[in-house]
Amino acid sequence: GENVEQHPSTLSVQEGDSAVIKCTYSDSASNYFPWYKQELGKGPQLIIDIRSNVGEKKDQRIAVTLNKTAKHFSLHITETQPEDSAVYFCAAHSSASKIIFGSGTRLSIRP
Amino acid sequence: ETGVTQSPTHLIKTRGQQVTLRCSSQSGHNTVSWYQQALGQGPQFIFQYYREEENGRGNFPPRFSGLQFPNYSSELNVNALELDDSALYLCASSLAGNEKLFFGSGTQLSVL
Repeated sequence: GENVEQHPSTLSVQEGDSAVIKCTYSDSASNYFPWYKQELGKGPQLIIDIRSNVGEKKDQRIAVTLNKTAKHFSLHITETQPEDSAVYFCAAHSSASKIIFGSGTRLSIRP
Repeated sequence: ETGVTQSPTHLIKTRGQQVTLRCSSQSGHNTVSWYQQALGQGPQFIFQYYREEENGRGNFPPRFSGLQFPNYSSELNVNALELDDSALYLCASSLAGNEKLFFGSGTQLSVL
């Protein structure tokens, strides 16, 4: 079946350094790729998204890149801060009702 | 503007029982989706409702059913509960045709 693989499952970086999380999808019909941040006891919150007709998108310290040919997309967080500590999920949509999430990356920021 | 609210926040049931979870969508949103999130995993799509009808379904058995009401709120019903149904159940609302999802904080269901 269709799936989304996400790596790494855990990531620890020094405050101020960059963090990169990578996802690979299998459904070539996927056309929308959001990233969600989930803090303890809360639901996922959309932090950035990208559509299949765009290669890169940036919002302040957060950026997402998409390689449609390789079916890869990545989240980049620069100048990490303690409040960036959370679980991050990627997802791939091929229709409004067909959405597959990755298994998550637990990001820890070391002071 | 109110966000997505879910009730109850926590629930304990025994195997074989039935459960109903509730969700109020964000103001202005007309589509509701439900997800199951097992511990340490990403959310898994259960189904989506639009205009009070199911508008897509993931790989879940028929004992998972739902409703959407005229005010766009929604219910998730699970019959014949199994131990593996223990999970965080998330509701997300959106506007039809817009993929951006707005999640509630979820209902933590424990089946004993």
